Amino acid sequence: NAGVTQTPKFRILKIGQSMTLQCAQDMNHNYMYWYRQDPGMGLKLIYYSVGAGITDKGEVPNGYNVSRSTTEDFPLRLELAAPSQTSVYFCASSRGTSAGHSTDTQYFGPGTRLTVL
Amino acid sequence: AQSVTQPDIHITVSEGASLELRCNYSYGATPYLFWYVQSPGQGLQLLLKYFSGDTLVQGIKGFEAEFKRSQSSFNLRKPSVHWSDAAEYFCAVVLFSGGYNKLIFGAGTRLAVHP
Repeated sequence: NAGVTQTPKFRILKIGQSMTLQCAQDMNHNYMYWYRQDPGMGLKLIYYSVGAGITDKGEVPNGYNVSRSTTEDFPLRLELAAPSQTSVYFCASSRGTSAGHSTDTQYFGPGTRLTVL
Repeated sequence: AQSVTQPDIHITVSEGASLELRCNYSYGATPYLFWYVQSPGQGLQLLLKYFSGDTLVQGIKGFEAEFKRSQSSFNLRKPSVHWSDAAEYFCAVVLFSGGYNKLIFGAGTRLAVHP
C-alpha cells in the first residue's frame, strides 16, 4: 500500500512550456485534491475531484487543468507555464462518501517542486 | 469568510522543553479542526483532529490540542519536545461548500529544536 504517490519530485520548466504532474492513490479513495504551497502562505486548493469524471475548481485554478478518468489517478496539467506557478504541488486524497460532505482525513503525497524560469 | 491564523511564523525551543503552537479560526458554526505536520521534504501528515465531544484531543507523537470555543482557538501542545519534532506545523479548518469539504490552511509555524 503506497498511499499517495506523485511524480516527478522536481522539475524545471521554461516559460510557456507545458507539463503534467502525476498523482495516484491506491486506497480506493473517492476524493482527490491538488494544492500548491507557496512560502509563508500555507496550502491553497487548486482543483478537487469527488469521483471519476467529476472535478471542480478550488481557490486558485487559473492556469491549470485536471481530469479524473479513473478512481486512482488525478493528473494536473499546466498548459503555459509562468513564473507565478513556481511552487510545491501536493496531491491528496480522502475516503469521502458518494453523497454529501466528508470530514475524512486527507492523505498527502510527498510533493512536486516546480520551478518556472 | 472562514480563515485560520497561526500568529507565530517561527518558534525555537530547546529539546525537552514544552511546546505550544497557536491557532485561531474564524468560522460561524462549530468548526472541524485539524493539525498537520510537514517534515522537511515530506508531505503533510495528520497529527490530530477535532470534530465534536471532548475538547482536549490526543494525537500521534505525543501531541495534544485543546479546542476553546470562547477564544476561537485550537492550540497544539507537547509536554517535552524531541529533536525529531523540528518541522512545519499547519492548522486547518474544514469549509463546507456545495456539499464537499475543503481544507483551509493557516500559513504554518516552523519549529526549530535546539539540542
